[in-house]
Amino acid sequence: DAKTTQPNSMESNEEEPVHLPCNHSTISGTDYIHWYRQLPSQGPEYVIHGLTSNVNNRMASLAIAEDRKSSTLILHRATLRDAAVYYCILRDNNQGGKLIFGQGTELSVKP
Amino acid sequence: DAGITQSPRHKVTETGTPVTLRCHQTENHRYMYWYRQDPGHGLRLIHYSYGVKDTDKGEVSDGYSVSRSKTEDFLLTLESATSSQTSVYFCAIRTGTEAFFGQGTRLTVV
Repeated sequence: DAKTTQPNSMESNEEEPVHLPCNHSTISGTDYIHWYRQLPSQGPEYVIHGLTSNVNNRMASLAIAEDRKSSTLILHRATLRDAAVYYCILRDNNQGGKLIFGQGTELSVKP
Repeated sequence: DAGITQSPRHKVTETGTPVTLRCHQTENHRYMYWYRQDPGHGLRLIHYSYGVKDTDKGEVSDGYSVSRSKTEDFLLTLESATSSQTSVYFCAIRTGTEAFFGQGTRLTVV
């Protein structure tokens, strides 16, 4: 399973944008890049995913490097409720769509 | 929450006893997963299922078995619980693109 590398922790100020990086240098052509987040005492929740092109949804934006070896999750205006652990995951639909989690980035948001 | 329910939500059991955790879904999704999460760690995949009676091992399957006799239920069994299996267990289902996770079962083995 392809692996991802993320910083252990990041800090942000409320109302400011947050850029969460992820490196996945061994990504294969069939791997989708998924982001999930886990709020305290809850199960993970889906944030966004993409294959090659940048993606936007109501929660966030995903910027994917042209060589696909890295990506960045962008929260446009961080709120206190965005404090969570963010996981960058590569998912290969040819292998049961398994989500193999890494350590994630713990995001703290200061008022 | 995609109609996913885990039971029980909390359990304390003794070392050496068998324990079964249940994951129930209401939407007939094909893929279901069991994960465990320990303090300071991300989730680790135990077993997953891609249909009735079709299951496969994940990263940390030793000491666990699963069964899926109906689409809606995916059972995780600890054959003989050990203290190292004290953890929070999450079930997940997969739709076309997203996975939805249950609220978790906190299992303590004493």
